[in-house]
Amino acid sequence: DTGVSQDPRHKITKRGQNVTFRCDPISEHNRLYWYRQTLGQGPEFLTYFQNEAQLEKSRLLSDRFSAERPKGSFSTLEIQRTEQGDSAMYLCASSLSGATDTQYFGPGTRLTVL
Amino acid sequence: AQSVTQPDIHITVSEGASLELRCNYSYGATPYLFWYVQSPGQGLQLLLKYFSGDTLVQGIKGFEAEFKRSQSSFNLRKPSVHWSDAAEYFCAVVNTNAGKSTFGDGTTLTVKP
Repeated sequence: DTGVSQDPRHKITKRGQNVTFRCDPISEHNRLYWYRQTLGQGPEFLTYFQNEAQLEKSRLLSDRFSAERPKGSFSTLEIQRTEQGDSAMYLCASSLSGATDTQYFGPGTRLTVL
Repeated sequence: AQSVTQPDIHITVSEGASLELRCNYSYGATPYLFWYVQSPGQGLQLLLKYFSGDTLVQGIKGFEAEFKRSQSSFNLRKPSVHWSDAAEYFCAVVNTNAGKSTFGDGTTLTVKP
């Protein structure tokens, strides 16, 4: 299967702990996006990369959140000092290279903060 | 700022009946519009997309959508619903400069036998 993969699929953590999620995009895709989805809502844009460059970050991405894509391949999203409000599904998507290229989504990482 | 409204939070239809899910968008330029479906525990699957040209677009699983610029709408339709279509459906508009998508809050479809 050469789709977008995310790891872990589920994460339960205690408030105040740090967590890190990984996304592996489709191999030839240059663009990588992170979204967050809470219950009853549509996905909300967090940030995106063009190769290894992080080009835009949403205001939703507080300073506790950091994302990297060090070699332009996989990406990580880290949340420091987690809060209960961080509980959500974190979705990763990738696309070829242009802004209008179709984004292919991974299965998501469901985070529960106790 | 771009935005998407899906007026119907939940729709129930009988199997075999027709379906229409509404989507209204706000975007300053020519919109790039998408419909996705999400089943429980699954990621988003693209059903269809509209960039330009024919305003009636065909997608997978027998779905189609019609772009109406005058109404700022991009409604999703299916002539005969199957039980396996029960899922959550999201409409999205893409910022053509950055590529980030703005999603509606989704419509949950229940299919009665």
